Amino acid sequence: GDSVTQTEGLVTLTEGLPVMLNCTYQTIYSNPFLFWYVQHLNESPRLLLKSFTDNKRTEHQGFHATLHKSSSSFHLQKSSAQLSDSALYYCALPSGSFNKLTFGAGTRLAVCP
Amino acid sequence: NSKVIQTPRYLVKGQGQKAKMRCIPEKGHPVVFWYQQNKNNEFKFLINFQNQEVLQQIDMTEKRFSAECPSNSPCSLEIQSSEAGDSALYLCASSLLLGGGNTGQLYFGEGSKLTVL
Repeated sequence: GDSVTQTEGLVTLTEGLPVMLNCTYQTIYSNPFLFWYVQHLNESPRLLLKSFTDNKRTEHQGFHATLHKSSSSFHLQKSSAQLSDSALYYCALPSGSFNKLTFGAGTRLAVCP
Repeated sequence: NSKVIQTPRYLVKGQGQKAKMRCIPEKGHPVVFWYQQNKNNEFKFLINFQNQEVLQQIDMTEKRFSAECPSNSPCSLEIQSSEAGDSALYLCASSLLLGGGNTGQLYFGEGSKLTVL
């Protein structure tokens, strides 16, 4: 079945260092959308960015990701972490006949001064 | 600010009690999802609707929950007999698009946090 794998449960960084959160997926669809959602403490999850196009970089709010269908990956990156980036990050893809989103287990990003 | 409105924000129930949560989706969104976010922050899909019809639900939802999205009324999710393992954040989300492996963005509410004593 469809699945999303996020290998890191917790990533701790010092402010200013680059961020990379891993996401790989399995799906029956040949052209899936992939999503990154972010959830700050005591807030609802919100879309950070999404992509449909193979090998095209997608950017939003300083974050970027590139969908690589050859490796089934959609890693999230940022060149310089900020304290305000501390949050839970979820990779997700549509699955099943009715397109519920299947979420990865999430990665907690903790940015320290 | 979330335009998906969930009530109540918090509810505390004893084991065996009913627990009901409501959701008003974003205006014009025909698709509504319920997810359970557990203490490990993992998401579990529970059920989704298109307009008033159930599209898909997991076994647990079918057996233990009652859910509906009536026209002109909030959607609701009710646990018929609460168990300790039901303690979680219940997130409602709505969406515009559906179909074909491409889905529109999900807009989440702030959730209803259920504690079962």
